[in-house]
Amino acid sequence: DGGITQSPKYLFRKEGQNVTLSCEQNLNHDAMYWYRQDPGQGLRLIYYSQIVNDFQKGDIAEGYSVSREKKESFPLTVTSAQKNPTAFYLCASSISENTDTQYFGPGTRLTVL
Amino acid sequence: QKEVEQNSGPLSVPEGAIASLNCTYSDRGSQSFFWYRQYSGKSPELIMSIYSNGDKEDGRFTAQLNKASQYVSLLIRDSQPSDSATYLCAVRRDTGRRALTFGSGTRLQVQP
Repeated sequence: DGGITQSPKYLFRKEGQNVTLSCEQNLNHDAMYWYRQDPGQGLRLIYYSQIVNDFQKGDIAEGYSVSREKKESFPLTVTSAQKNPTAFYLCASSISENTDTQYFGPGTRLTVL
Repeated sequence: QKEVEQNSGPLSVPEGAIASLNCTYSDRGSQSFFWYRQYSGKSPELIMSIYSNGDKEDGRFTAQLNKASQYVSLLIRDSQPSDSATYLCAVRRDTGRRALTFGSGTRLQVQP
């Protein structure tokens, strides 16, 4: 059953903690993306990766970090430097950066307590 | 000016009517245009993509693109209550960073 999985579905974090959101895909896609969505707003790009061991900052990378050690995995760490991390986080992938269709995972809803 | 602008709505239409959703974009280098549907609490799903000026039809959905006016729209014919969702417009440049840029979305309500 191919697709993109994100875990956990809900995540609660205390202020000052780092947390890591998981994103895994078995679609054999080269490109992966992380977006953040706030209530009533569209998606904003945090980081993206075109190939393994390579990634670029998006529009709102401050306070976040990523790694791409394996083709199928693109975890996102929300650090304590991110001042307002409560949001819905969406991971997506596409065959390549030059391919139009992006497939989204189910998302992780992060709440800072 | 936002790169991709949409009216936040809600746009309310009666069941069976045509819903018209609009989107404007600022970057003339944008070459690919997409409409995603997002139900509350869920992730976006692709409905339509369009690359050339004119209309593209897929079932009850028609995407319209006018690059000269930097305008893209989505028409939903015979609207159903199940079409009630937020519709996100996304564009992609042809050069440079090619990740999608999303609008804030238009919330559509189809009244039974």
